[in-house]
Amino acid sequence: DTEVTQTPKHLVMGMTNKKSLKCEQHMGHRAMYWYKQKAKKPPELMFVYSYEKLSINESVPSRFSPECPNSSLLNLHLHALQPEDSALYLCASSLLGEQFFGPGTRLTVL
Amino acid sequence: AQSVTQLGSHVSVSEGALVLLRCNYSSSVPPYLFWYVQYPNQGLQLLLKYTTGATLVKGINGFEAEFKKSETSFHLTKPSAHMSDAAEYFCAVTVPYTGNQFYFGTGTSLTVIP
Repeated sequence: DTEVTQTPKHLVMGMTNKKSLKCEQHMGHRAMYWYKQKAKKPPELMFVYSYEKLSINESVPSRFSPECPNSSLLNLHLHALQPEDSALYLCASSLLGEQFFGPGTRLTVL
Repeated sequence: AQSVTQLGSHVSVSEGALVLLRCNYSSSVPPYLFWYVQYPNQGLQLLLKYTTGATLVKGINGFEAEFKKSETSFHLTKPSAHMSDAAEYFCAVTVPYTGNQFYFGTGTSLTVIP
């Protein structure tokens, strides 16, 4: 298995909802990432997990809460989001410097 | 720290013409370099990468790039543009074994004119 999968593909949520994004890879990669991407912009790094421990948090608001339950799975828990949080959320894993990206979750916050 | 500059946020070429997308990087140590393509409403797809070895790298869909250390450049080329090449292109750099962080350029939107 040489891909990163993300669910759901699309998510619409209200500002009071709680939802979670899921990312999975079975390539044995020990570094995993969450990015936020706005249209026509490069991905912005949010979080990095290395060996299941949070190693980088790019000053992301606490309404985004990452979790790495095991070496194959990465979650992003969402609560009380704002409309400006609407974006494409990308997950990636890496090995020897190369990053492998999932297809993303398109999030719309109403 | 590393950084990436993509000159030209929008590039237009005629179908069949040469595609040239520019990428310059800043790094104090030998980097790994990547080009990704993103089609509308999709994730990032790796076009090609340079890690070590041959400086001319061939990728998918007829693209290639040359690592020029003296110019700190990694420009992407394709001899003949196809309509399906219209997309957003991102150059990225990382330094291996230094924290797994990627640095992206601001992106270049390629339009192909029939």
